[in-house]
Amino acid sequence: GENVEQHPSTLSVQEGDSAVIKCTYSDSASNYFPWYKQELGKRPQLIIDIRSNVGEKKDQRIAVTLNKTAKHFSLHITETQPEDSAVYFCAATSGYSTLTFGKGTMLLVSP
Amino acid sequence: EPEVTQTPSHQVTQMGQEVILRCVPISNHLYFYWYRQILGQKVEFLVSFYNNEISEKSEIFDDQFSVERPDGSNFTLKIRSTKLEDSAMYFCASPGLVSTDTQYFGPGTRLTVL
Repeated sequence: GENVEQHPSTLSVQEGDSAVIKCTYSDSASNYFPWYKQELGKRPQLIIDIRSNVGEKKDQRIAVTLNKTAKHFSLHITETQPEDSAVYFCAATSGYSTLTFGKGTMLLVSP
Repeated sequence: EPEVTQTPSHQVTQMGQEVILRCVPISNHLYFYWYRQILGQKVEFLVSFYNNEISEKSEIFDDQFSVERPDGSNFTLKIRSTKLEDSAMYFCASPGLVSTDTQYFGPGTRLTVL
């Protein structure tokens, strides 16, 4: 089955800095890679996703890159704000299949 | 974001008791998923349900668990005899209306087994 590794487990940045979270996956059949943000006690919320037919996708301050050859994908957050503080999960799936999640990254943005 | 609802928001039960968690997914979708998240850990897949049948399940989803669709819109996850280690957040998820890859999560049910 799929295995998703995520790093780092915690990330502390100053407000305005950039943050990068990296994930690797094992199953070459995986073709859809969402990122979820989870605030304490809340549901995982989809923030951005990427499919295997593109290498990069951007939505305002958030971008995701995908390297299919190396089987890794990354989340980039620019101009971080305190409200970006949360746990971020990457995931991988091959379509109508289960999501396999990474272990999460706790992002702390200090004012 | 499409709306997935779950009830109850918090369930406290004694070890050995049965619990039923309920979810109303995004309408008109045949696919449906249950996930579990132990406090401070990652989200783990339990079971997927397609067209009134289980399509895939993880090793967590043992004989103590069952999933049903008692009527046209609601889904339930039943744990027959709860154990302390079943304490977790349980999320249901449903694909979106536009992108079937994307899964949207309900608000979750926090299960506490005493």
